[in-house]
Amino acid sequence: GAGVSQTPSNKVTEKGKYVELRCDPISGHTALYWYRQSLGQGPEFLIYFQGTGAADDSGLPNDRFFAVRPEGSVSTLKIQRTERGDSAVYLCASSPGTRGTDTQYFGPGTRLTVL
Amino acid sequence: AQTVTQSQPEMSVQEAETVTLSCTYDTSESDYYLFWYKQPPSRQMILVIRQEAYKQQNATENRFSVNFQKAAKSFSLKISDSQLGDAAMYFCAYNAGNMLTFGGGTRLMVKP
Repeated sequence: GAGVSQTPSNKVTEKGKYVELRCDPISGHTALYWYRQSLGQGPEFLIYFQGTGAADDSGLPNDRFFAVRPEGSVSTLKIQRTERGDSAVYLCASSPGTRGTDTQYFGPGTRLTVL
Repeated sequence: AQTVTQSQPEMSVQEAETVTLSCTYDTSESDYYLFWYKQPPSRQMILVIRQEAYKQQNATENRFSVNFQKAAKSFSLKISDSQLGDAAMYFCAYNAGNMLTFGGGTRLMVKP
């Protein structure tokens, strides 16, 4: 079946602009995660959805970052007033069940570059 | 807070040989899960192997196996009969609740 997909694959924006990154999870997966991977580092957790609600948003770095999952499927990560430090690969993952420790399946990521 | 450490930034192995990647972690939890993910240049994280902490038996998946030492908080990955397609970044990860905590990664190079 289809895996996790993310769009766009690459996004270049200017400092101060607003961006939206989209994630389509594996069909039927109830849990969805966002991670950020800076160059040369491992991914860092941002936010976790169980269904439509954000079950854990403790990884969001500040209030410029926001994510939604209104129908319990597709999710959008929104970044306001982008800064050069936001440049990274943003990874989305989904998992099938309600246990947070289920295996997470990742998408190919969106590379965000803030000029 | 949980931390995951991969002490080898780069490793190299000859094709068909065996290589072991190291990972240690720090936690006060007793029930958790450990993972190895592979990340090729395409960026997509691919699950290699998973280990439940309550299981004493080491997980294996074909050419991939782990050496899980719970008391030492060590979780190494052994790749046997290395292939050119194994070349990638490898990340060790820990999960005791909702999120994965990743190590810094090990770049594996495979020499023909």
